[in-house]
Amino acid sequence: NAGVMQNPRHLVRRRGQEARLRCSPMKGHSHVYWYRQLPEEGLKFMVYLQKENIIDESGMPKERFSAEFPKEGPSILRIQQVVRGDSAAYFCASSPPTDPRGDTQYFGPGTRLTVL
Amino acid sequence: KQEVTQIPAALSVPEGENLVLNCSFTDSAIYNLQWFRQDPGKGLTSLLLIQSSQREQTSGRLNASLDKSSGRSTLYIAASQPGDSATYLCAVLEYGNKLVFGAGTILRVKS
Repeated sequence: NAGVMQNPRHLVRRRGQEARLRCSPMKGHSHVYWYRQLPEEGLKFMVYLQKENIIDESGMPKERFSAEFPKEGPSILRIQQVVRGDSAAYFCASSPPTDPRGDTQYFGPGTRLTVL
Repeated sequence: KQEVTQIPAALSVPEGENLVLNCSFTDSAIYNLQWFRQDPGKGLTSLLLIQSSQREQTSGRLNASLDKSSGRSTLYIAASQPGDSATYLCAVLEYGNKLVFGAGTILRVKS
């Protein structure tokens, strides 16, 4: 059973460009979470999605950031008009469709975004 | 608002030493507490998960305890090895299935 997959692993963008980060959850998992780790800081929750639904986006910046988890295909975290402050490691995690409170979230290797 | 604090921020010990990492949280309304390991440039690996109704969990040389009423957890590592060198993260799962992380303890075990 392959783990959580994220691509690309490293992404370089210039200010004003768009960044698209992809996450394929573990097989059979229907809950996806995105976290951001800024330099020298801990991981911070961004958004929680189930298939075709955003459950909680309370950690997402109000502007420029969006996330989706379509019926088919990976979850996408999209950052429009990137700024230098968006440079960070973005981690995706997934958990099974059973009660997620009883299981850990399984993390991917992360995408390291650098904005020039 | 839940806040998770980890002490110490960094720790350097000689190989073979037993050590304790500390974690505290401000809101006891949690579903579980987890300890993760993060290696440089890598993702997170779950080490131990303690449900809110449990007091401790053990896996090999690792033992984690939870005192929910006082908002504290400790991770005990026995007979440390250089391969244990990593950042250790404590996280609580709160309502809405959000993990709230501490800033981590950077551990270096010297051979």
